[in-house]
Amino acid sequence: QKEVEQDPGPLSVPEGAIVSLNCTYSNSAFQYFMWYRQYSRKGPELLMYTYSSGNKEDGRFTAQVDKSSKYISLFIRDSQPSDSATYLCAMSVNNNNDMRFGAGTRLTVKP
Amino acid sequence: NAGVTQTPKFQVLKTGQSMTLQCAQDMNHEYMSWYRQDPGMGLRLIHYSVGAGITDQGEVPNGYNVSRSTTEDFPLRLLSAAPSQTSVYFCATRSGQGISYGYTFGSGTRLTVV
Repeated sequence: QKEVEQDPGPLSVPEGAIVSLNCTYSNSAFQYFMWYRQYSRKGPELLMYTYSSGNKEDGRFTAQVDKSSKYISLFIRDSQPSDSATYLCAMSVNNNNDMRFGAGTRLTVKP
Repeated sequence: NAGVTQTPKFQVLKTGQSMTLQCAQDMNHEYMSWYRQDPGMGLRLIHYSVGAGITDQGEVPNGYNVSRSTTEDFPLRLLSAAPSQTSVYFCATRSGQGISYGYTFGSGTRLTVV
């Protein structure tokens, strides 16, 4: 079993839809949770960061962590064609350890 | 500011050949790392360095060597290429403030071993 599981999709939604992306994990020691966005033929870039459990909102993006269920989510409101990318979850035990990444979910937002 | 520069962008190797993937950064970050990205597997850490002269193995180090003689450069060497090393390779750096401040990735090197 992988430490971090993420449905690779692909996921296709119409413009304006609410998108939900999810990851599950097996290591209960993970404390730092991140979402990276990767455009085609580019390197990933940090989108959201959350420490421990709870919600974090940044514009149209909301990250949720449920440590009791070992489940994290990223919600995108009012999705735009420019949100079309692969979204990778990543997590770590502490702030100086290396991250474990999910496989990434490929999202397409259609105009 | 270039950030993280990887060369070459594309490479085709024959089985058994060796090559070096280059990574250079201009952000003065102490931490540098190499990842490979394969379909369905996510990003997996190959080797990393916390400063000049210091390197360590990651999750999938076999078949790869690294060295770090300067803060700016962190080359990745494939000793004897195998088809299983066909992948997209990313170099990444981070500041001393830790992972919560994010990694800066290069644009990747797409390697095919035939």
